Amino acid sequence: KAGVTQTPRYLIKTRGQQVTLSCSPISGHRSVSWYQQTPGQGLQFLFEYFSETQRNKGNFPGRFSGRQFSNSRSEMNVSTLELGDSALYLCATGSRDGGTGELFFGEGSRLTVL
Amino acid sequence: SQQGEEDPQALSIQEGENATMNCSYKTSINNLQWYRQNSGRGLVHLILIRSNEREKHSGRLRVTLDTSKKSSSLLITASRAADTASYFCATVSPYDKVIFGPGTSLSVIP
Repeated sequence: KAGVTQTPRYLIKTRGQQVTLSCSPISGHRSVSWYQQTPGQGLQFLFEYFSETQRNKGNFPGRFSGRQFSNSRSEMNVSTLELGDSALYLCATGSRDGGTGELFFGEGSRLTVL
Repeated sequence: SQQGEEDPQALSIQEGENATMNCSYKTSINNLQWYRQNSGRGLVHLILIRSNEREKHSGRLRVTLDTSKKSSSLLITASRAADTASYFCATVSPYDKVIFGPGTSLSVIP
C-alpha cells in the first residue's frame, strides 16, 4: 500500500509569490490534514478536509487556503508569501470516518521563502 | 494555542537506559496519540490510548493516561541509538481536531 505522497519535496520562493503544495493520501483515506512545522512554533494545525469539505481550520490568515478533490487528493496554497512562511509543511491522512484513528504523514514539503 | 505540552523539551540518555516523556493537556479528549519524528522527516504514529484506557503497551513502549490530571507519559525501555528522534503527543478533542504538542527531543548516546 503506497504511503502519503507530498510534492514538491523542496522549493524556494521569493516574498510576494504564491505556492501550491500537493498531497496524495493513502488509498481509502478520506481525511487530509495540513500542518506547518517551524523550529519556533512547532507543529501548527492549518486545516482538515474530509470528503471535499473543510472540517476544521486552524488560526492562520486567509493567505493560507486548501481544497480537496473527489479522489481525496488535496492541495494547499499560500499566496503573497512572507519570510515567516518558511517551514516544513506536512500532510497527514487518515480513515477518520467519524472516528479518531491514527494519522499517516507524508515526508513534507520544505518551503524556503527568500 | 497548542493543546499538549511535552516535558522535558530535551532529554539525553545512555543506550540501555529508559526514557520517560510527559504530556499535559488542557481540555477533554477522545484519545491521545504519540508520534515520532526523525530529523526533517514526516511523523510516524507510535501508539494511541483512548480516554477510557489507563495504560497501553507496544513493544518497548508504555503509555499511561491520567484524565483526572490531564496528563500522559511515554516510557521507552532499554533505549537504543536508533530511538534518537523527536517525540510528540497529539490530542484529539471531541470536535476531532488533532493538536500536537511542541515535542521532546530525545538523544540516545551509544
